[in-house]
Amino acid sequence: AQSVTQLGSHVSVSEGALVLLRCNYSSSVPPYLFWYVQYPNQGLQLLLKYTTGATLVKGINGFEAEFKKSETSFHLTKPSAHMSDAAEYFCAVRSKTNSGYALNFGKGTSLLVTP
Amino acid sequence: GAGVSQTPSNKVTEKGKYVELRCDPISGHTALYWYRQSLGQGPEFLIYFQGTGAADDSGLPNDRFFAVRPEGSVSTLKIQRTERGDSAVYLCASSPDSGEGETQYFGPGTRLLVL
Repeated sequence: AQSVTQLGSHVSVSEGALVLLRCNYSSSVPPYLFWYVQYPNQGLQLLLKYTTGATLVKGINGFEAEFKKSETSFHLTKPSAHMSDAAEYFCAVRSKTNSGYALNFGKGTSLLVTP
Repeated sequence: GAGVSQTPSNKVTEKGKYVELRCDPISGHTALYWYRQSLGQGPEFLIYFQGTGAADDSGLPNDRFFAVRPEGSVSTLKIQRTERGDSAVYLCASSPDSGEGETQYFGPGTRLLVL
């Protein structure tokens, strides 16, 4: 089975500071990993994903994540936080179903950005 | 282009009633997923369609839950004899195919409250 664990249900950073949201995965097969963002009363929007190839993945809105197999991690970072980054962030791993693939999500991390 | 849409956006019902939740996927997407997101949790997989057939319904919590996709496009999630524990946000997602690296595009969700 494939699963992810997000460390820290709430993270607070100052505007302009580094954003680091942690995600560790457990997978018996090479993982495909995803980060989604959810703004209030909106659906989930894909930030970035790792399938194969380059381990440093760049996404939208200045976010990036690095796949580290040795640490079973896929942490999300952004060099400088903006107020508009305040949202809920979900890490997810591809999970095999009977005849396709679904996503197993972590519990989410709520990012607060203070002036 | 148009994204995934879900109706209604909010639904309040009484315990024991029947509800239907609708999902319009992105045009041309063959794979459709339903997830349930309880308060403070990440989305949990319910059921997945490839075309018209339910390829995997292993996430449905019990036989009160049922979903259809008769023409391979719009899907309806049906909940019979609703219980207070069914209160959650029900998310629909679609993807071009069901391949392992495919991005799932999410709708805004239907917020269900069972009184």
